[in-house]
Parts: sequence; structure tokens; C-alpha cells
Amino acid sequence: GEDVEQSLFLSVREGDSSVINCTYTDSSSTYLYWYKQEPGAGLQLLTYIFSNMDMKQDQRLTVLLNKKDKHLSLRIADTQTGDSAIYFCAESEGGYNKLIFGAGTRLAVHP
Amino acid sequence: GAGVSQSPSNKVTEKGKDVELRCDPISGHTALYWYRQSLGQGLEFLIYFQGNSAPDKSGLPSDRFSAERTGGSVSTLTIQRTQQEDSAVYLCASSPPGVTEAFFGQGTRLTVV
Repeated sequence: GEDVEQSLFLSVREGDSSVINCTYTDSSSTYLYWYKQEPGAGLQLLTYIFSNMDMKQDQRLTVLLNKKDKHLSLRIADTQTGDSAIYFCAESEGGYNKLIFGAGTRLAVHP
Repeated sequence: GAGVSQSPSNKVTEKGKDVELRCDPISGHTALYWYRQSLGQGLEFLIYFQGNSAPDKSGLPSDRFSAERTGGSVSTLTIQRTQQEDSAVYLCASSPPGVTEAFFGQGTRLTVV
């Protein structure tokens, strides 16, 4: 079945770049997503990338997609303490927003 | 309100009791989804509604779980004879036609004691 894998924890210094990695299995996924969850809050869509793209940039966020290796990454430039959260990678299935999520990467930003 | 609204925000119930969780999607959103977030299983898809029909119920974990949607709007997720393993945060999301983003509510935290 479909599976999305992420590393569970990342610690970075404030001002550095953060790179969160994800691998997925469903090559038919049309869209791949990054969601952010802050403590006690719901899921917020950060960005998504269409499967025929290699890269998408949105302000401090850069998404890279390697379809051959089924690898997705999220780079956050100039990481701030407000970026501390859990980041979920997700792939879509079935032509609608049925999302298969990874376990989430907890990003900790320290001074 | 402007976002997806879920109620209650917290629910504590005794094992064996039935519970109903409510989701009010954003007005005009035809698609509605239920997900479950638990420590052991992460974020899992439960069910997808398009209008009032549910073409994908594949994530419902057992026949104790059911959901309905009426008027193409409000949805209710019902869990019968709750078990401790049902303890989780139940998240609802909705999306308008032809849009890739699903908007999530804040969730209902269910604790079965």
C-alpha cells in the first residue's frame, strides 16, 4: 500500500536553513503537500507541488521533487523560532484530496 | 465563521458509550473529509464525502464507525461502543470543487476512559 516516510526530528539554529525530507511510494500521486501543525492547532497547508514540477519556491519555502527517487523535500530559509512545529508530508490519492500523511517531522529551532 | 468548525473541541466518554462528533465545513465546499490523528497511528484518512454521498469509506476502522452528511453541509461522525483505542484527535477538512487544498478544522480530542 501507499506509504510516506519522514525523519521524526530536526533541530536547527535560528537563522540557518532547515531541510525536511520525505519519501513516498505512490507514483500516481498528482500533488504532494507540506502541512504545518503547531501545538494545539489544526493542520495548515504550507505549500504543495504538482507532480510534473521539479521545484516550487514560495518566499522562504522551497520544495524539491525528485519523481524518479520518489523524494520530496522542504527547505525553510532563515529559520525562525516561529517555525517550530511538526511538518507533515502528504501525497494525494484517488484524484481527490484523500491524503496519505507521513508521521511528521518535529522541527525545533534554538537560538 | 470563515473556517471549518468542529464540535465539541474536547470529549471525554466512558468505554462502551456512543459519541457523535460534528463538522461544519466552509460554506460552498462540496468535499468533506474525516481524518484521525493518534499517537500510535499518526494521521489516518477515515472517509470522504462528495455532496451527501461517501464514495470512499475505506479508512473507517470498524463497523462501530459511521458518518453521514446532510444538505451537502454538516457531517456527523458516530462511534458506537467506544473503546480506549478510539482515543485520538478527529480532524475534519473540506475543499471546494476543483481545488487542491483541503482546509482543516481544529479537531475534536476524544478521550475514552
